[in-house]
Amino acid sequence: GENVEQHPSTLSVQEGDSAVIKCTYSDSASNYFPWYKQELGKRPQLIIDIRSNVGEKKDQRIAVTLNKTAKHFSLHITETQPEDSAVYFCAASGPPPGANSKLTFGKGITLSVRP
Amino acid sequence: GAVVSQHPSRVICKSGTSVKIECRSLDFQATTMFWYRQFPKKSLMLMATSNEGSKATYEQGVEKDKFLINHASLTLSTLTVTSAHPEDSSFYICSARKAGGRKKAETQYFGPGTRLLVL
Repeated sequence: GENVEQHPSTLSVQEGDSAVIKCTYSDSASNYFPWYKQELGKRPQLIIDIRSNVGEKKDQRIAVTLNKTAKHFSLHITETQPEDSAVYFCAASGPPPGANSKLTFGKGITLSVRP
Repeated sequence: GAVVSQHPSRVICKSGTSVKIECRSLDFQATTMFWYRQFPKKSLMLMATSNEGSKATYEQGVEKDKFLINHASLTLSTLTVTSAHPEDSSFYICSARKAGGRKKAETQYFGPGTRLLVL
């Protein structure tokens, strides 16, 4: 099955700096890669996703890049703000209705933005 | 939008009792819903995949007789924790995947979670 590795496990940046979170996946059939942000005690919120037919996607201060050959994808947050502090999860899945169509999550990274 | 609700948000029960958690997709139909368990400061652990009108598919190591899942309609799935024990205390989160539409079929929307405490 799919295996998603996420690193680093914690990241601390100064407000205004950029943050980059990297994930790798193992199953070359995976074609969908979402990123979720989870604040303490809250639900995971989808912040951006990318499909395997594109290499990069951007939404305001957030961008995701995908390298299918190397099987890794990254989340980029620019001009970080204290409210960006949360746990971020990457995930990967294949197309439904296959066995790999369920999301496999990374372990999560705790991002702390220092004011 | 894509809103998923969960009820109850928090429940405390005695050891040996059963607890039912509901997951509803409020503004879309979901042929597939997922149930996760999350321990403090840990990732989401998939317990089972719930498909409308058919039996749930459980992940390895998850007892299907202990965690009963029913997906009775395109907007409702329930998880029943039977004969709960203190080690079942956890944060249970459901998610729902939109039905139809090949491009967006993969997107999962999460419920707010249910915090279960078994005394």
